[in-house]
Amino acid sequence: KNQVEQSPQSLIILEGKNCTLQCNYTVSPFSNLRWYKQDTGRGPVSLTIMTFSENTKSNGRYTATLDADTKQSSLHITASQLSDSASYICVVSANTGGFKTIFGAGTRLFVKA
Amino acid sequence: NAGVTQTPKFQVLKTGQSMTLQCAQDMNHNSMYWYRQDPGMGLRLIYYSASEGTTDKGEVPNGYNVSRLNKREFSLRLESAAPSQTSVYFCASSVGGGTEAFFGQGTRLTVV
Repeated sequence: KNQVEQSPQSLIILEGKNCTLQCNYTVSPFSNLRWYKQDTGRGPVSLTIMTFSENTKSNGRYTATLDADTKQSSLHITASQLSDSASYICVVSANTGGFKTIFGAGTRLFVKA
Repeated sequence: NAGVTQTPKFQVLKTGQSMTLQCAQDMNHNSMYWYRQDPGMGLRLIYYSASEGTTDKGEVPNGYNVSRLNKREFSLRLESAAPSQTSVYFCASSVGGGTEAFFGQGTRLTVV
């Protein structure tokens, strides 16, 4: 069964600290993996997208990694800011003739001053 | 520079009432999607339109219908609303399947 599991469910960190969010998936055949940021009351916004051959992708203070062999991805946030408080969603697409996209439930990050 | 626009932003319906959620994108994208988001769950696909003139069921299509009116617009209709349809609904568009999707601001629907 195609699944995307994220951990932790929620996380509280102090402003300025780093953190890493995890994503494990069983989606196949793998096409790409995306990380989205969703602010409260808003739609998700894309942070990174990685295909099978890419193992690292950065977007400012956000760095995503992908291990296609173990089917794991992580999102590392450096020097967190209050504005990083949001949900972070891992999304994996499979190419099954058409595309099938599975969303993780997200990690809720709270950054405190 | 609007991207994906959804209307309305909020709606309260009584059980059995009907309504249509509107979505329009100005990015010339081929594919459009309707998702629902419930607490503690990932976004679930209701219906999608891979290209103008086509629509297909997603993971949770029961109780909904869609219309791809033209390349820009994709509407979602609830014929007889039920409390189980209380959710936040998101419209999204992308160049094609499996590519980066751009989301609207969401419609928060409550069915009482």
